[in-house]
Amino acid sequence: AQSVTQLGSHVSVSEGALVLLRCNYSSSVPPYLFWYVQYPNQGLQLLLKYTSAATLVKGINGFEAEFKKSETSFHLTKPSAHMSDAAEYFCAVSPPNTGNQFYFGTGTSLTVIP
Amino acid sequence: DAGITQSPRHKVTETGTPVTLRCHQTENHRYMYWYRQDPGHGLRLIHYSYGVKDTDKGEVSDGYSVSRSKTEDFLLTLESATSSQTSVYFCAISESSGGGSGANVLTFGAGSRLTVL
Repeated sequence: AQSVTQLGSHVSVSEGALVLLRCNYSSSVPPYLFWYVQYPNQGLQLLLKYTSAATLVKGINGFEAEFKKSETSFHLTKPSAHMSDAAEYFCAVSPPNTGNQFYFGTGTSLTVIP
Repeated sequence: DAGITQSPRHKVTETGTPVTLRCHQTENHRYMYWYRQDPGHGLRLIHYSYGVKDTDKGEVSDGYSVSRSKTEDFLLTLESATSSQTSVYFCAISESSGGGSGANVLTFGAGSRLTVL
């Protein structure tokens, strides 16, 4: 089975600082990779996805993530944090030969300090 | 917009009572899922469906059953609710991500918050 590890269940950054949320997966075959964001009391929203095209993927709200096969990583970054970025972030993977199986990390809660 | 509606959005019930959560979609998606979200555990799959009357278990299926008699509706039932089933429940559908990659993405409903006293 796939596993997804998100290092750091809580991350705090100052407003304007770099946001870096880490995600590593375990798989011998590169899966499809996703980041979802959950704002308080809301459902999950797709932030960005890697589906075996460009390794640097740009998403909504200025976020991007880079797929690094050698490191089995898909870290999420944003150059300058905004107060509105405070949310829970989930990394997820989907094995390419299944198409409809998804595995989630345990989430990282991002706090932005004014 | 996948048009996913979950009901009820909030429910408080007592231990031992049956509870049914409903997920309704408007776009004929084949795959539907029920997840529960708990602090420290992220999202865990309870059951999923790959068509009418076709369902399978996820990693935390004990104490839950599901039914899908129509494409648009996926029901999650707790036959006898326990306090450990207090959680936020999310329904999701799988749909094509576009671009010809063959990848699908999950789209989620707004969630149903269940409290079992």
